[in-house]
Amino acid sequence: LAKTTQPISMDSYEGQEVNITCSHNNIATNDYITWYQQFPSQGPRFIIQGYKTKVTNEVASLFIPADRKSSTLSLPRVSLSDTAVYYCLVGDPLESGGYNKLIFGAGTRLAVHP
Amino acid sequence: NAGVTQTPKFQVLKTGQSMTLQCAQDMNHNSMYWYRQDPGMGLRLIYYSASEGTTDKGEVPNGYNVSRLNKREFSLRLESAAPSQTSVYFCANGGLGTDTQYFGPGTRLTVL
Repeated sequence: LAKTTQPISMDSYEGQEVNITCSHNNIATNDYITWYQQFPSQGPRFIIQGYKTKVTNEVASLFIPADRKSSTLSLPRVSLSDTAVYYCLVGDPLESGGYNKLIFGAGTRLAVHP
Repeated sequence: NAGVTQTPKFQVLKTGQSMTLQCAQDMNHNSMYWYRQDPGMGLRLIYYSASEGTTDKGEVPNGYNVSRLNKREFSLRLESAAPSQTSVYFCANGGLGTDTQYFGPGTRLTVL
């Protein structure tokens, strides 16, 4: 199982770009990298997923270098509502049962200040 | 569509009591999951069901049982609750090949 390492916490200010890096040194060939966001008292919510290079959606960008041993979630121009815990996970979405072997670590607590 | 629903939202039990947490989905996904989340911690997988009629242990299955009654419902049972099982319980689903899991709102359980 591919484990991930993220910073425990980060602070930012409204309007800034936030980059959260995740290390996954033993990522497997078929593994994808997925990021979830969790607000207090809610279940996690999917943000973005990628396999290599760069993926962008309306919420974030995900940068994955060629060796895939790390990835960076980029949140452009954060607002107070982006204050949440962000989880980086690696796993094979095509494996039977979907993400049954995913492991959520402690995540990164992002605090956005006025 | 409600997505993933869980009942109850809150529950207080005494040590030794039993209860069943209910989860239902209207998304027609094959896989369903039960996680627990302790304060300040990430989610830990308790049990999962890859398809109707099958269940498998996750990372922390001890003290729990599950039942996949049909494709729509996946319940989690605590036979004899212990204070160490005080936690927030999340149910989730995800189809084969899907790129995401969808989570329910959670059940906050306190065992005294």
